[in-house]
Amino acid sequence: AQSVTQLDSQVPVFEEAPVELRCNYSSSVSVYLFWYVQYPNQGLQLLLKYLSGSTLVKGINGFEAEFNKSQTSFHLRKPSVHISDTAEYFCAVSQYGNKLVFGAGTILRVKS
Amino acid sequence: NAGVTQTPKFQVLKTGQSMTLQCAQDMNHNSMYWYRQDPGMGLRLIYYSASEGTTDKGEVPNGYNVSRLNKREFSLRLESAAPSQTSVYFCASSEEDGVSGYTFGSGTRLTVV
Repeated sequence: AQSVTQLDSQVPVFEEAPVELRCNYSSSVSVYLFWYVQYPNQGLQLLLKYLSGSTLVKGINGFEAEFNKSQTSFHLRKPSVHISDTAEYFCAVSQYGNKLVFGAGTILRVKS
Repeated sequence: NAGVTQTPKFQVLKTGQSMTLQCAQDMNHNSMYWYRQDPGMGLRLIYYSASEGTTDKGEVPNGYNVSRLNKREFSLRLESAAPSQTSVYFCASSEEDGVSGYTFGSGTRLTVV
């Protein structure tokens, strides 16, 4: 069975600083990996995904993530955050044709 | 706009009451899902429908039933609501293989008193 661990429940950061949101997964087979963002009182929006190929994946709003198979990680990064990036971020994993399994979420709080 | 539409957006129920959450998608997706979101627990799968005419239990199905009415619509029913079912409910849809990720509705915030 797959599982996802998001290592930080909350990450406070000042505006224009870099940020990394950590995600580790467990699976014995090849997986697909996703990051979703949820702004307050909204649904989830896909930020980026890793299916295969290059381990560095670029998404919307300047976010990127790196797939590391040996460490079973898929950390999300942004070099310079903005107030508008304040949201909850979810890492998720699936296998081909199977359901998404989500992590518990990380709340990113950007302070001015 | 194309996407997933959920109704209602908010609902307050008394313990023991029943209700149906509605979900419709217009992206011609085969697969549809119901998740619940609780603080600190992420999203947990209640039921899913891989294709029209099929439904299967997810991680937390107890107290819920679903109906895949047609390819577009997938409803979630609470027969006898309990306070433990207070949550935010999300419907989602995807291509059958899931590789494109899921498209989510905006959610239903349900409170059971």
